[in-house]
Amino acid sequence: SSELTQGPAVSVALGQTVRITCQGDSLRRYYANWYQQKPGQAPLLVIYGRNKRPSGIPDRFSGSGSGNTASLTITGAQAEDEADYYCSSRDTTDDHVVFGGGTILTVL
Amino acid sequence: QVQLQESGPGLVKPSETLSLTCTVSDGSVTGSDYFWSWIRQTPGKGLQWIGYVYYGGSTSYNPSLKSRVSISVDSSKRQFSLTLRSVTAADTAIYYCAREVSSGWYYFDRWGQGTLVTVSS
Repeated sequence: SSELTQGPAVSVALGQTVRITCQGDSLRRYYANWYQQKPGQAPLLVIYGRNKRPSGIPDRFSGSGSGNTASLTITGAQAEDEADYYCSSRDTTDDHVVFGGGTILTVL
Repeated sequence: QVQLQESGPGLVKPSETLSLTCTVSDGSVTGSDYFWSWIRQTPGKGLQWIGYVYYGGSTSYNPSLKSRVSISVDSSKRQFSLTLRSVTAADTAIYYCAREVSSGWYYFDRWGQGTLVTVSS
């Protein structure tokens, strides 16, 4: 198995760019997926695979990765982007799924 | 489009068994394209993958829960189910069912709304 590590919190001024990072051994083999979760709601997929966005996700969301680190970048953050963000991937056994601990994003 | 909906008791007594069902509407639970997972979230905390059931009934579980968990699928009802035995207060959480796509990449593209299960006497 493996773990994914995220910073607990980050803030960004409205309209500025913010990067949320995720580290773990499994990211050397698998792309990180990123989920947005707002209070009282289920997680919502925002990035998967090699920087893919599901239908309806704004193009200000993008993903990247190198080595054991993956990043979610929001270019021109909006007030509605304030949420918790979780990274996830299959783990090094291939059979299990791991989540990062989540990063709270505050838009100032 | 495919929707997932959890159902089951919201209150379970300590040492008893938690049982939840996820109903998949407008879609099938058979086929090799998807893994059907259960994920939970302790109030105010992060997400924890519990396990999945896959095509043909094969399963995989979080090692930390493996001794107490079972996940099964009923394709005729388009449902998959979670059983968690010998629960304690630490199992109090919001339980989500989710569909994981298996198409070169693995990711959860559909989630249920979640159901809160409280373990208390």
